Amino acid sequence: NAGVTQTPKFQVLKTGQSMTLQCAQDMNHNSMYWYRQDPGMGLRLIYYSASEGTTDKGEVPNGYNVSRLNKREFSLRLESAAPSQTSVYFCASSIIQAANYGYTFGSGTRLTVV
Amino acid sequence: DQQVKQNSPSLSVQEGRISILNCDYTNSMFDYFLWYKKYPAEGPTFLISISSIKDKNEDGRFTVFLNKSAKHLSLHIVPSQPGDSAVYFCAAGSGDSNYQLIWGAGTKLIIKP
Repeated sequence: NAGVTQTPKFQVLKTGQSMTLQCAQDMNHNSMYWYRQDPGMGLRLIYYSASEGTTDKGEVPNGYNVSRLNKREFSLRLESAAPSQTSVYFCASSIIQAANYGYTFGSGTRLTVV
Repeated sequence: DQQVKQNSPSLSVQEGRISILNCDYTNSMFDYFLWYKKYPAEGPTFLISISSIKDKNEDGRFTVFLNKSAKHLSLHIVPSQPGDSAVYFCAAGSGDSNYQLIWGAGTKLIIKP
């Protein structure tokens, strides 16, 4: 099925460990996004990539890095995980960086940092 | 400072009746608004949007109303069906903010049979 695929779906990390969340879309979308969702809060943008070759910080970028590997793939890296990064992470994509077109989201990665 | 607020964490509605979900915003620069629906263990899915130049947009059972003077929008679902039980997020954005969306915290809608 066409859409956005995120891996892994679940992950438990120890404080200080690193990991990379993978995201791939097969809809030929230009723009991709990483969000985190915490209880009682809306989704918050971590980083986005308006087009292949560009990345920009969102609302909450500290502690994260991203790579737009090609048009299809956009990865999120935690270099030294902290308990405050326990969250559900969503990757999304859109045709262009004009959100009124609507984003397509992946099913999420539930990350726990202990 | 929450720019987009959904003040009702949950809402329970009888099947077949109207569901009304509300959203308030503070930034008058927002020029488009969107509603997303989310089931457990899935990502949000786009439902309906409205531009700030309109006051109503309709798509089947779903209608979004925008009141710019009150900085308020609402999503009406008529008639409500069991499959509508989900969390609904309101989001807003503007060209001035590089099209980054600001999201509300969500309202959990429960449709009772």
